[in-house]
Amino acid sequence: TQLLEQSPQFLSIQEGENLTVYCNSSSVFSSLQWYRQEPGEGPVLLVTVVTGGEVKKLKRLTFQFGDARKDSSLHITAAQPGDTGLYLCAGITSGNTGKLIFGQGTTLQVKP
Amino acid sequence: KAGVTQTPRYLIKTRGQQVTLSCSPISGHRSVSWYQQTPGQGLQFLFEYFSETQRNKGNFPGRFSGRQFSNSRSEMNVSTLELGDSALYLCASSLQISSYNEQFFGPGTRLTVL
Repeated sequence: TQLLEQSPQFLSIQEGENLTVYCNSSSVFSSLQWYRQEPGEGPVLLVTVVTGGEVKKLKRLTFQFGDARKDSSLHITAAQPGDTGLYLCAGITSGNTGKLIFGQGTTLQVKP
Repeated sequence: KAGVTQTPRYLIKTRGQQVTLSCSPISGHRSVSWYQQTPGQGLQFLFEYFSETQRNKGNFPGRFSGRQFSNSRSEMNVSTLELGDSALYLCASSLQISSYNEQFFGPGTRLTVL
């Protein structure tokens, strides 16, 4: 069974703090995607990482793909209340196109 | 370009009934994947269709089935509904022109089984 362990599951921080969310697996992924989901809505794609060691930045969000393509992290700098939501990592393994394996998600609450 | 649309958005059924959910992908996308999201299990893959063919299937019972039409629109059907089938059902479409296959999700159909 391919698993993607995401941590922490819950995070409640004050506005302005930094945070990091981790996704780890024993499986190698051909790509890994990060999503953000609001209550009652579908996940919205934030970024896709493909190459081992790749780092992508999206304003205050920094995404990293591990060298072995088994893990990834999302770092948010100076979190804002608008960052509140459910963050999901999801990976695709070779030969399983169209099948995303999701982590359990991290519920982030940023208090003003 | 319009996003992924799903109908209906909300559905209430009783145990034993069946239900059909619909998904229209982004124009030009040929791959449609379906997922079930519950608080306890998170997002779990149901199946994926590409050019009217089921290409990948998750670990769900045979009561869950799907199909894809020539215009790439997809439907999923759940027969003999159980209380545990209450969930948010999400579909995602993908262009499938690269190895990393970015998927774009619809808003979901919230199914409640009473």
